[in-house]
Amino acid sequence: NAGVMQNPRHLVRRRGQEARLRCSPMKGHSHVYWYRQLPEEGLKFMVYLQKENIIDESGMPKERFSAEFPKEGPSILRIQQVVRGDSAAYFCASSPLKYVTEAFFGQGTRLTVV
Amino acid sequence: DQQVKQNSPSLSVQEGRISILNCDYTNSMFDYFLWYKKYPAEGPTFLISISSIKDKNEDGRFTVFLNKSAKHLSLHIVPSQPGDSAVYFCAATPNTGNQFYFGTGTSLTVIP
Repeated sequence: NAGVMQNPRHLVRRRGQEARLRCSPMKGHSHVYWYRQLPEEGLKFMVYLQKENIIDESGMPKERFSAEFPKEGPSILRIQQVVRGDSAAYFCASSPLKYVTEAFFGQGTRLTVV
Repeated sequence: DQQVKQNSPSLSVQEGRISILNCDYTNSMFDYFLWYKKYPAEGPTFLISISSIKDKNEDGRFTVFLNKSAKHLSLHIVPSQPGDSAVYFCAATPNTGNQFYFGTGTSLTVIP
């Protein structure tokens, strides 16, 4: 049973470009969470999705950030017009249950904006 | 507003001794707590958890203690091994929560 798969592992974007981060949850998991870790900080919740639905996006910046989890395919975190402050490690997690008591994390995507 | 705090950024322990990592929280609605371990360039790995109805949970060398009145939990690793060297994150969630609230992590170094 493969774990949570994120790609790419590393992504470099110039200021103003778009970044697309992908997350395939573990088999049988229909709940996906995105977290961001800024340098020297803990992980901060961004968004919680189920298939085709955004359940909680209270941690998402209001502009430039969006997330989806389509019926088929991976979950996508999209950052438009990236700025230097978006440079961070972005982690995806999945769980089989509605109320999270344990989540399995992917290896993360390290985004660098130059 | 940091609702989960790990006030020790780093900890060094001799191999074979006990490692104690501490975590404090402020939100009284939290009732499920977890510890994650993280190696550089990897995602967090679940280690151990505890529900608020318990005050202790043990899994092999790892024990988590919860003191609800003090809003404090700790992770004990005994005996510590060099492979335990990693960053440890404390996390908490309310019973019907959609997210974990993470601390800032404690970097543990176990010296051979």
